[in-house]
Amino acid sequence: DQQVKQNSPSLSVQEGRISILNCDYTNSMFDYFLWYKKYPAEGPTFLISISSIKDKNEDGRFTVFLNKSAKHLSLHIVPSQPGDSAVYFCAASGAGSYQLTFGKGTKLSVIP
Amino acid sequence: DTEVTQTPKHLVMGMTNKKSLKCEQHMGHRAMYWYKQKAKKPPELMFVYSYEKLSINESVPSRFSPECPNSSLLNLHLHALQPEDSALYLCASSQVSGVRQPQHFGDGTRLSIL
Repeated sequence: DQQVKQNSPSLSVQEGRISILNCDYTNSMFDYFLWYKKYPAEGPTFLISISSIKDKNEDGRFTVFLNKSAKHLSLHIVPSQPGDSAVYFCAASGAGSYQLTFGKGTKLSVIP
Repeated sequence: DTEVTQTPKHLVMGMTNKKSLKCEQHMGHRAMYWYKQKAKKPPELMFVYSYEKLSINESVPSRFSPECPNSSLLNLHLHALQPEDSALYLCASSQVSGVRQPQHFGDGTRLSIL
């Protein structure tokens, strides 16, 4: 049973517009959520995280929103740039746990 | 540039060979991890070391043997692997503190078993 779900395998966005990547989770024990970006032939690169005590965290062009009641989080990238084209993984962990549970990823293509 | 360095980047080995994957970080992180990632799948946790002690083994077959000789190094010893073990092996590290900290990944070792 997938505890972290990214239901969109791919997303295409025009350069300069907003990219919105979505993630749903089922485990109510998760309290820390992360987004990673992965280019081919490289490891995942940490982008941004959010603790369950917050509902929004912002870092430059990247903002993560958390809706605990809906068990849903989203990553907003604005404005989108061609260099943002990559696979984005959502991940979650529970209190006191080092273990990250990853979603299957969403491939973002930003079109110039 | 990643601050977690993995060597080698690529490894091809036969099923009877013995080889080791190496991971190094100098960020002062005291938790280190091995993940396995198959094509078009998310990373799957294999092992967690905390303060150089194995704290999690996710039911990994004994043909994979981790070792943490000091706080900066993490090895994964391989012996008698199967073709289905071909994958990208990722190392990660993180701080251990009361505040949640992200894991930082290396670029991985692409392993092919002949």
